[in-house]
Amino acid sequence: EAGVAQSPRYKIIEKRQSVAFWCNPISGHATLYWYQQILGQGPKLLIQFQNNGVVDDSQLPKDRFSAERLKGVDSTLKIQPAKLEDSAVYLCASSFLPGQGNNEQFFGPGTRLTVL
Amino acid sequence: AQSVTQLGSHVSVSEGALVLLRCNYSSSVPPYLFWYVQYPNQGLQLLLKYTSAATLVKGINGFEAEFKKSETSFHLTKPSAHMSDAAEYFCAVSDATRGGADGLTFGKGTHLIIQP
Repeated sequence: EAGVAQSPRYKIIEKRQSVAFWCNPISGHATLYWYQQILGQGPKLLIQFQNNGVVDDSQLPKDRFSAERLKGVDSTLKIQPAKLEDSAVYLCASSFLPGQGNNEQFFGPGTRLTVL
Repeated sequence: AQSVTQLGSHVSVSEGALVLLRCNYSSSVPPYLFWYVQYPNQGLQLLLKYTSAATLVKGINGFEAEFKKSETSFHLTKPSAHMSDAAEYFCAVSDATRGGADGLTFGKGTHLIIQP
């Protein structure tokens, strides 16, 4: 079974530029999460989707971050404009809906963003 | 609101010695608790989880953890450390009243070092 796919794996940009990350969840997983992991810290939830609807985006900096999951499968996370403090690893995870499985979250390898 | 505290950002043990990684949680509702492992440049892998069944939970790679409600703890142990256990370990919590469907709240992580 294929895992959660993310691209690109690495990205270097200058501050004030924009960047986008892509995630393809495990087939059949209706719930998708984006986490931000700053160096030396644990991951922090940015946004959670169920199918193509947003369940929780309370920690998403909405002035610069946006995310979408148009067809309830792939998702894109965008930062515009980027700041130095956005340097982090962006992790995507997916799981079944509650009651459909053990709702374990499976994580992708992450995209490492460096903002110069 | 939920939070997780991992005591010790770095833990060093000798190969073959007991591994003990500490995790305390704060939650106003019944929690689900998780331990994840992260190897360099990889995503997170679930080691084990507590979902209100048995308080002693066995996971992969010989790890286990015990849920102690009176101490609000969920410490991770392994009787005999192996060189391959060297990694970053994260404790995480989610709201059990929502079936664990929420995003996870992670601790800051503990870097496990295995001395030969």
